[in-house]
Amino acid sequence: GAGVSQTPSNKVTEKGKYVELRCDPISGHTALYWYRQSLGQGPEFLIYFQGTGAADDSGLPNDRFFAVRPEGSVSTLKIQRTERGDSAVYLCASSLNAGGEDIYRSSYNEQFFGPGTRLTVL
Amino acid sequence: AQSVTQLGSHVSVSEGALVLLRCNYSSSVPPYLFWYVQYPNQGLQLLLKYTSAATLVKGINGFEAEFKKSETSFHLTKPSAHMSDAAEYFCAVVRGATNKLIFGTGTLLAVQP
Repeated sequence: GAGVSQTPSNKVTEKGKYVELRCDPISGHTALYWYRQSLGQGPEFLIYFQGTGAADDSGLPNDRFFAVRPEGSVSTLKIQRTERGDSAVYLCASSLNAGGEDIYRSSYNEQFFGPGTRLTVL
Repeated sequence: AQSVTQLGSHVSVSEGALVLLRCNYSSSVPPYLFWYVQYPNQGLQLLLKYTSAATLVKGINGFEAEFKKSETSFHLTKPSAHMSDAAEYFCAVVRGATNKLIFGTGTLLAVQP
């Protein structure tokens, strides 16, 4: 079946511009995550959606970053007034659900990652 | 808070040699631990995961990892490296009820012929 898809695969923009990055999760996956991977680093968590709502946005670096998931499927990460430091690969992942509230939960739902969008801010 | 540390940003082995990639974790609760692989220009792929069942976990492509609580380690091994194993490897731990992943800084594995 189809995996997680992200568009565009590459985005080059100028400093100060606005960009939108799109993520199409696996059908039926209610949990959706955005991560950012800077050069030479591991992915860093940005935001998590359960259904339509952002349940955890603690990783968003500042208020220039915003994400939506209006119908509980496709998500868009929006970056306003882009800066050169925003250049990175933005990864999206989805899973069946987040696994519940109990940290001693006995199950874990694997996150499936998309290929990422490489954002370059000139 | 849960975190992971990967020792060695670059590891080079000869084809057929043992692969050992190191990961140490910090967690106040029983952790869920993962190894992901990232091939050039591709997304992250799950190699294996530890979810408090067996301490020796077998993954895809002949990789395995052993959870050692006494050493707070979850090192990744493969008995015999193949050229196709050349990639970047990330250790990760789950943090919180939202299952967000906290990744290490990665280890780039080179396999020499």
